[in-house]
Amino acid sequence: GEDVEQSLFLSVREGDSSVINCTYTDSSSTYLYWYKQEPGAGLQLLTYIFSNMDMKQDQRLTVLLNKKDKHLSLRIADTQTGDSAIYFCAESHAGNMLTFGGGTRLMVKP
Amino acid sequence: NAGVTQTPKFQVLKTGQSMTLQCAQDMNHNSMYWYRQDPGMGLRLIYYSASEGTTDKGEVPNGYNVSRLNKREFSLRLESAAPSQTSVYFCASSDRSGKNTGELFFGEGSRLTVL
Repeated sequence: GEDVEQSLFLSVREGDSSVINCTYTDSSSTYLYWYKQEPGAGLQLLTYIFSNMDMKQDQRLTVLLNKKDKHLSLRIADTQTGDSAIYFCAESHAGNMLTFGGGTRLMVKP
Repeated sequence: NAGVTQTPKFQVLKTGQSMTLQCAQDMNHNSMYWYRQDPGMGLRLIYYSASEGTTDKGEVPNGYNVSRLNKREFSLRLESAAPSQTSVYFCASSDRSGKNTGELFFGEGSRLTVL
């Protein structure tokens, strides 16, 4: 079955780069997503990548996709305290259903 | 645009009580979903409704029922609450037509505690 895995926790200093990693199992995924959840709020789409791409850059965010290894990463450049949140990786599969990873809590220290 | 609105935001129940979580979206989306979020386990799909008039089980449907009242509204009912249903519940919607990315839009969540 489908499974998406992420590390639970990442701590970085303000101004450093953050890299959040994710592995998935469904090789037929059309899109892969990164969602951000701030405390007490729902998830919001941060960025996504189509499965035929290997990189997508959007301002401070860089998404890398390695389809061979089924590995997805999110790099946040110049991490700010406002980036502290839980980040969820998700993959789409049959019928446009999404499977989410367990979330990575990013803590940014001043 | 309000997006996806859930009520209530907080609820405390005793074991065996029943309750309904309400969800409404104003984006004219076809599909709606109920997820639960537990620490370290991400979001798990309880039920979804691909379109008005249809509902299907997700990964963890036991102990829950749903109703797709109309295109806007999708409710989740706990008939006899159990402590294992203590969780944060999220409603989401999406437009699953072929020309979009399938992005989910989430409500702010309903935190349920069952004693």
